[in-house]
Amino acid sequence: NADVMQNPRHLVRRRGQEARLRCSPMKGHSHVYWYRQLPEEGLKFMVYLQKENIIDESGMPKERFSAEFPKEGPSILRIQQVVRGDSAAYFCASSPGQAPGNTIYFGEGSWLTVV
Amino acid sequence: QKEVEQNSGPLSVPEGAIASLNCTYSDRGSQSFFWYRQYSGKSPELIMFIYSNGDKEDGRFTAQLNKASQYVSLLIRDSQPSDSATYLCAVIKAAGNKLTFGGGTRVLVKP
Repeated sequence: NADVMQNPRHLVRRRGQEARLRCSPMKGHSHVYWYRQLPEEGLKFMVYLQKENIIDESGMPKERFSAEFPKEGPSILRIQQVVRGDSAAYFCASSPGQAPGNTIYFGEGSWLTVV
Repeated sequence: QKEVEQNSGPLSVPEGAIASLNCTYSDRGSQSFFWYRQYSGKSPELIMFIYSNGDKEDGRFTAQLNKASQYVSLLIRDSQPSDSATYLCAVIKAAGNKLTFGGGTRVLVKP
């Protein structure tokens, strides 16, 4: 898991501020996924990206949330005007290609607390 | 009906016994099936994946897939207290690369 690098690990934001979470996939992986886990709940898919492309954003809230995976640099999940309900663990995962047969590994997560 | 269903538990298992976890899924076209372990406050850790009918063994873990019945199971042999965690079943459907997770089964291994 440590090879999928996420930062920051913990982030505290006041209501109305912006949160930016970064993810560097494992070496050789070109597919990145973001998942959210609310307290005491399961993992929910948010978005699936490849370099410079959003492949599936069916799990992203329509407002305030955006994601990118530029040609150079990490993938970024951006949450604008955060609210208390955004407090959660955000996990990034990566894979080298598509299923079947490709494993998906998770990073250690970014814990967002909105106060 | 949820897309991926698991018994939430807790599943209490004596140390040294076999823990048996089940997962059912609704999309008959699902391709790949994953088991992750998650300790409280930590990220999901991949245990194994399977995509062909039958059994797949890795150390103390065995995954079993039955596509006709739409279920996948995980056996943990010689359970240890360190196996106490939540076990997540995840499925990739026919199209795309998106993991859909079940709610997880909490396992408690008692010394």
